[in-house]
Order: sequence, then C-alpha cells, then structure tokens
Amino acid sequence: EVQLLESGGGLVQPGGSLRLSCAASGFNFYLAMSWVRQAPGKGLEWVSVISNNGGTTYYADSVEGRFTISRDNSKNTLYVQMNSLRAEDTAVYYCATSRGSGWVHGGYLESWGQGTLVTVSS
Amino acid sequence: EIVLTQSPGTLSLSPGERATLSCRASQSVSSSSLAWYQQKPGQAPRLLMYGASSRATGIPDRFSGSGSGTDFTLSISRLEPEDFAVYYCQQYGSSPGSFGQGTKLEIK
Repeated sequence: EVQLLESGGGLVQPGGSLRLSCAASGFNFYLAMSWVRQAPGKGLEWVSVISNNGGTTYYADSVEGRFTISRDNSKNTLYVQMNSLRAEDTAVYYCATSRGSGWVHGGYLESWGQGTLVTVSS
Repeated sequence: EIVLTQSPGTLSLSPGERATLSCRASQSVSSSSLAWYQQKPGQAPRLLMYGASSRATGIPDRFSGSGSGTDFTLSISRLEPEDFAVYYCQQYGSSPGSFGQGTKLEIK
C-alpha cells in the first residue's frame, strides 16, 4: 500500500524558516515527486516538483528563490526547505507522486499524503 | 500561464442524477495533459482522471472524462452519496502546472 506521511508543519513567524518532510513507503520511490499546497478554505496550488534522481527541480513563481525541494532516495524521503515565509504561505502542504510525461509541469498527482499544516503568523 | 476556469461553481443534484462538470483553459492544453481530482472535507485530493479521459486505478466507471484543446468535461453518470465533494481540474502540459478553482457538488 502506497503511504506518504508529511511532517514538520507548525506555527512560524513571518520571515522564518521551516523544513517539511514526506516519508514514502509501499512503492518504488524512484519517481518524480511534488509538493502541492492548499490555503485554508481555498483551492489547490502546485508548489514544486523534483525529478526521480533529484537532479532537476521546478518551482511555482510564488515560491521561487524561497523554497528548495530535495530528496534522499536512500531514506525514501522528500523535503522542502521553506525560507522567508510569508502570511500567504499559510496552507496545508501535501506531497504527491508526479506521473506522466508532463512531470516537469507537476505531472498528474497519483498518490497523496494527508498533509501538514503550516501557519505563518506573528 | 494557463488559467483553468471551472463551471459551475456549485452544482446541486440528487443521488441517481447525472453530473456534468466543465473545465475551460485560457490556452490549449498540450497532449490532453488534463487531470481531475475529488476532495472531501478534511481529506487529501484523490486522482480520478488523467490524460483527459483515462480513469485512475480503482475509480468506478460511472466517472468519465472527455475533451481536448481548451474544453474538458468530467461526467458522473449516476450520482452516489459518496460522490458529493469538491472537484478540481489540473493541467500539466505547460509550466507552471495549474488547478481550476473547483466545483462543489452538493446534494439537492
């Protein structure tokens, strides 16, 4: 059974940093992976994608230069380092498997974790 | 950036009825790189369709997708109680990938 378990969310002050993790199990982790977020009561926003070997990354304009996606395939774990956080980054952050030839644009998101809430507030 | 506009915003139907949800793109979506997701309150989204018309694993055949270019449709042939949720379309054919704003399917 595919399992994706996010962790690391919490309350952080504007300008602060946070690192989220996503532990994967039950499948071959050598896939492109994405982070997607959802602000409270709002829709979905794709954030970032990383290739299966970690060599290629893409970001939404809203987080470019502030967020860094990475992975450790030896630990089956995906990360996102979030710096210079803003109130508008407040959201539930989901990790998901990115499938299809369009993975560079996020791909279609086949399996999802349950999400971790990040709140940016003073 | 491709903007996806979903309509209607809210759809009120009864179990057993047919639902038709629309997703219109501001530019042509390449290679029919269009997916649909279902999200229930407090849950993560679930993939329903990809490539515009391919059902994801385990999705009942009452769900079907169609369309190409800029106009896409998700149809649910006979609504079951568990189908009432929010539905999102997503394009992954060009950067940045983007989602529609969602259609809420509610019980009439």
